[in-house]
Amino acid sequence: SQELEQSPQSLIVQEGKNLTINCTSSKTLYGLYWYKQKYGEGLIFLMMLQKGGEEKSHEKITAKLDEKKQQSSLHITASQPSHAGIYLCGAHSSTSGTYKYIFGTGTRLKVLA
Amino acid sequence: DTAVSQTPKYLVTQMGNDKSIKCEQNLGHDTMYWYKQDSKKFLKIMFSYNNKELIINETVPNRFSPKSPDKAHLNLHINSLELGDSAVYFCASSRGDRRSFGYTFGSGTRLTVV
Repeated sequence: SQELEQSPQSLIVQEGKNLTINCTSSKTLYGLYWYKQKYGEGLIFLMMLQKGGEEKSHEKITAKLDEKKQQSSLHITASQPSHAGIYLCGAHSSTSGTYKYIFGTGTRLKVLA
Repeated sequence: DTAVSQTPKYLVTQMGNDKSIKCEQNLGHDTMYWYKQDSKKFLKIMFSYNNKELIINETVPNRFSPKSPDKAHLNLHINSLELGDSAVYFCASSRGDRRSFGYTFGSGTRLTVV
């Protein structure tokens, strides 16, 4: 079955620093979604990538899906305390006619002021 | 053992009917959620609930209501179903503390309103 692995598992950075989170799939991705979860809240959708090489940005967050479509990276520029939280990548997977939505293992980000 | 289970997996019903989707988790998590997966395939939160607080996404019509008989269950009731309610609905649970985010999803319920 398809799996998504994220790295690093956790990250602590000083405010103002750039950082990158990776999401690697065991199979080709046909749609990759990035979410953020703050403590006590549900998932917040950040962006969706579908085509190999596609890159999208929202404020200081940029996500890219690599050409081979098995890895995505999420890059935050000049991090701020408001960026702290858990970042999850997600993808839909269809195996043997069974529809499934899978998530990465998650990356916990702390930003020190 | 399934950690977060939803029933039914598939539900086909007529417009105007009232239906429920059940969700149960055996992880001991104290927060449960309902998400709707829209046509673009990303998840939109509908409700989050723990034994202290129900948080409702204000965009959710009041025809949708969560019911939690106990910490392990969060059912979704939908009244007067409309065609636009057709979607896949996901239940999830998580730990409510900072030590572990233990976020787990159910396998989804595909609702089709005809």
